Amino acid sequence: DAKTTQPTSMDCAEGRAANLPCNHSTISGNEYVYWYRQIHSQGPQYIIHGLKNNETNEMASLIITEDRKSSTLILPHATLRDTAVYYCIVGEGDKIIFGKGTRLHILP
Amino acid sequence: DTGVSQNPRHKITKRGQNVTFRCDPISEHNRLYWYRQTLGQGPEFLTYFQNEAQLEKSRLLSDRFSAERPKGSFSTLEIQRTEQGDSAMYLCASSEPSGWSNEKLFFGSGTQLSVL
Repeated sequence: DAKTTQPTSMDCAEGRAANLPCNHSTISGNEYVYWYRQIHSQGPQYIIHGLKNNETNEMASLIITEDRKSSTLILPHATLRDTAVYYCIVGEGDKIIFGKGTRLHILP
Repeated sequence: DTGVSQNPRHKITKRGQNVTFRCDPISEHNRLYWYRQTLGQGPEFLTYFQNEAQLEKSRLLSDRFSAERPKGSFSTLEIQRTEQGDSAMYLCASSEPSGWSNEKLFFGSGTQLSVL
């Protein structure tokens, strides 16, 4: 079973930052936090992952709380192409278990 | 295109027939995964391989499902005696493990199975 809790859906205005929350209160010390997204009719796409420290790449930033029980994915300047289902996943790497994710709608 | 390739993209079959899907991973990736996804749900893990060894299979996976990766390169997923409940998108992914985490799974576009 998925170890994370995410809102079912969210809206964000185009050009604004999209902040997607994720709760993972039972995360263990060796488990990473991964984010993937899935655009309609495509396979999931890796976005970013982290263990303890905040991470940033060309797609997004990942903020992990100090107790590691929650995290936030930040898309700094959302565009219409960011409309997708975003999955927050916790795991040790042997397999990635997906939950239902957050459906993010970017509004023009 | 050097991404994960899945064939066919679409498959329509009659209940009771056998079907086989193929996945060609990214060439240097030694891990290969199969997932199944139904409408409105996240992808469900089915099984994964490291090279030719099948390391884990979901307990939810029926005995009608079998996967192989004979030479550690491409993989096939066979479903025998298909049922209407098998209708889903079947996704393949590959990765190159690194340290503690797999970091990145690269997914194909999937095979959409419809069982009539």
